[in-house]
Amino acid sequence: GESVGLHLPTLSVQEGDNSIINCAYSNSASDYFIWYKQESGKGPQFIIDIRSNMDKRQGQRVTVLLNKTVKHLSLQIAATQPGDSAVYFCAETEGSGGSNYKLTFGKGTLLTVNP
Amino acid sequence: DAGITQSPRHKVTETGTPVTLRCHQTENHRYMYWYRQDPGHGLRLIHYSYGVKDTDKGEVSDGYSVSRSKTEDFLLTLESATSSQTSVYFCASRGGSGTTNEKLFFGSGTQLSVL
Repeated sequence: GESVGLHLPTLSVQEGDNSIINCAYSNSASDYFIWYKQESGKGPQFIIDIRSNMDKRQGQRVTVLLNKTVKHLSLQIAATQPGDSAVYFCAETEGSGGSNYKLTFGKGTLLTVNP
Repeated sequence: DAGITQSPRHKVTETGTPVTLRCHQTENHRYMYWYRQDPGHGLRLIHYSYGVKDTDKGEVSDGYSVSRSKTEDFLLTLESATSSQTSVYFCASRGGSGTTNEKLFFGSGTQLSVL
């Protein structure tokens, strides 16, 4: 619940603005990346994913950018709404989903949307 | 979202008592995972299962055991609960190998307090 937000990087934006949430990863062998959204008191919810053979992928109001050179991932949310307020996690793994698949999660960013 | 149910949703117990958390999924997913979430640490993998009776340790497995006797159920047991195991526990599952089954779906979590 609320304790998830402690010690997290925070981003505060105005409703209607675009949001950019960043994530650095460490494993150069990671080839699959996911962004999750977690609202207070709930489990993480899948937003969008991207494979390492892509640099950009778009969903509904969200875009994920991947820069493998500097091991950096970003999530862009267009026209941010109050319902977007949550903690956002990036996650990475390597392999094609076999038994050795283990998602490693970042510590998250707390997004607050001001009306 | 996958049908993943965790029980109980909240539990308060005393140090030294055994505790079992249950995860039930209705998606016939092969892989199941237990994570704990703590402020400043994000989501950390405790144990995971890659099939009935097939389990392995994650990064923070000490003090925990798991069992998977049926595809749909994955149990997490704290043999003798300690205060350091106070946390929010999340169960997750995914379909199988291959690039179409890499999304991890989460339950709503169990808030465990060890006094």
